[in-house]
Amino acid sequence: TQLLEQSPQFLSIQEGENLTVYCNSSSVFSSLQWYRQEPGEGPVLLVTVVTGGEVKKLKRLTFQFGDARKDSSLHITAAQPGDTGLYLCAGKPLRAGNNRKLIWGLGTSLAVNP
Amino acid sequence: DTEVTQTPKHLVMGMTNKKSLKCEQHMGHRAMYWYKQKAKKPPELMFVYSYEKLSINESVPSRFSPECPNSSLLNLHLHALQPEDSALYLCASSPGPTGANVLTFGAGSRLTVL
Repeated sequence: TQLLEQSPQFLSIQEGENLTVYCNSSSVFSSLQWYRQEPGEGPVLLVTVVTGGEVKKLKRLTFQFGDARKDSSLHITAAQPGDTGLYLCAGKPLRAGNNRKLIWGLGTSLAVNP
Repeated sequence: DTEVTQTPKHLVMGMTNKKSLKCEQHMGHRAMYWYKQKAKKPPELMFVYSYEKLSINESVPSRFSPECPNSSLLNLHLHALQPEDSALYLCASSPGPTGANVLTFGAGSRLTVL
């Protein structure tokens, strides 16, 4: 069974602090997606990383895909209350197959306090 | 139009009721999904339709019955639900026909079973 271990599960920080969320697996993924979900809404795609070692930046968010495509991280610089939400990673399995499904991490619930 | 629209936003039903959740997308996406999500947990895949045909059923109880009338519409018919079925039900779509593509989610239907 393929698993994505996401940590930490809960994080409460003050505005202006930095944080990093990790998604780790023993399996290789062809790509990995990061979503953010705000209360009362569905998840919204932030970024997809595809190439091993890839780094993508989205304003204060930096996403990295591990060289072996088994892990990924999300770093937020100078967090703001608007960053509050549930952050989810989801990996696309490497093995081909018409019914392959996304493998989801357990999520990181982030609260940024003013 | 880059949205997935779900109705109703909130639904309260008794255990003997029959109700339906509806989902619509006009992005020309070929795959549509139903997910179930409990608070601060990742979405759990229920069903995937690919080219209007059911391609994945994650051993969902028969009291949940999906229907895909056409490429833009997806319904979830509910009958004889249990209180533990109370959750946020998310519809999603993706461009490609397989189950592991980047997803566009709707805002969800919050279901409460009394």
